[in-house]
Amino acid sequence: DAKTTQPPSMDCAEGRAANLPCNHSTISGNEYVYWYRQIHSQGPQYIIHGLKNNETNEMASLIITEDRKSSTLILPHATLRDTAVYYCIVTGSGLTFGKGTHLIIQP
Amino acid sequence: GAVVSQHPSWVICKSGTSVKIECRSLDFQATTMFWYRQFPKQSLMLMATSNEGSKATYEQGVEKDKFLINHASLTLSTLTVTSAHPEDSSFYICSASVEVLTEAFFGQGTRLTVV
Repeated sequence: DAKTTQPPSMDCAEGRAANLPCNHSTISGNEYVYWYRQIHSQGPQYIIHGLKNNETNEMASLIITEDRKSSTLILPHATLRDTAVYYCIVTGSGLTFGKGTHLIIQP
Repeated sequence: GAVVSQHPSWVICKSGTSVKIECRSLDFQATTMFWYRQFPKQSLMLMATSNEGSKATYEQGVEKDKFLINHASLTLSTLTVTSAHPEDSSFYICSASVEVLTEAFFGQGTRLTVV
């Protein structure tokens, strides 16, 4: 699976859009980009995934660059409950978790 | 999303005993189930991947005789920690997916404390 790089932490004001970047420059053609988040002491929660087209669901939007070497997860209107560790995972098979980004939503 | 139920949520056991953790997919049939372990302030570490009806594939460094995985049906996988020791104390999490390339849904985790 391709390696991903995420900032260790980010702050965002409540009500604002939270944009979480992820670099995956070694991604191969058949690998998907997945995003999960983990709230303290709970199991990870699936957010969204994509291959090359931008994706949107009720939780978030996923923007993948044309060369697929990076992506951005967008939470359009962050709330305090969105405070969590967000994991960007690139895989063609199982999920391997890196260190993720600890997103802190500030009131 | 689909629901994966893990039981128990927490367990305390004595050193040397065995503990079984169950992972059930409640509203879908899971071809593949994954078991992870997470130590405090660390990320999830994949322990093993299991497909229904076949032997689990363990990650390097994970003792298959110590962490017994059974995936006897499309809705149930179990992880048994045998002869548990204090260093096995951790947060164990399972996930299930219909196929390998579809999204995986996670259980709520089991906090194991070995005393």
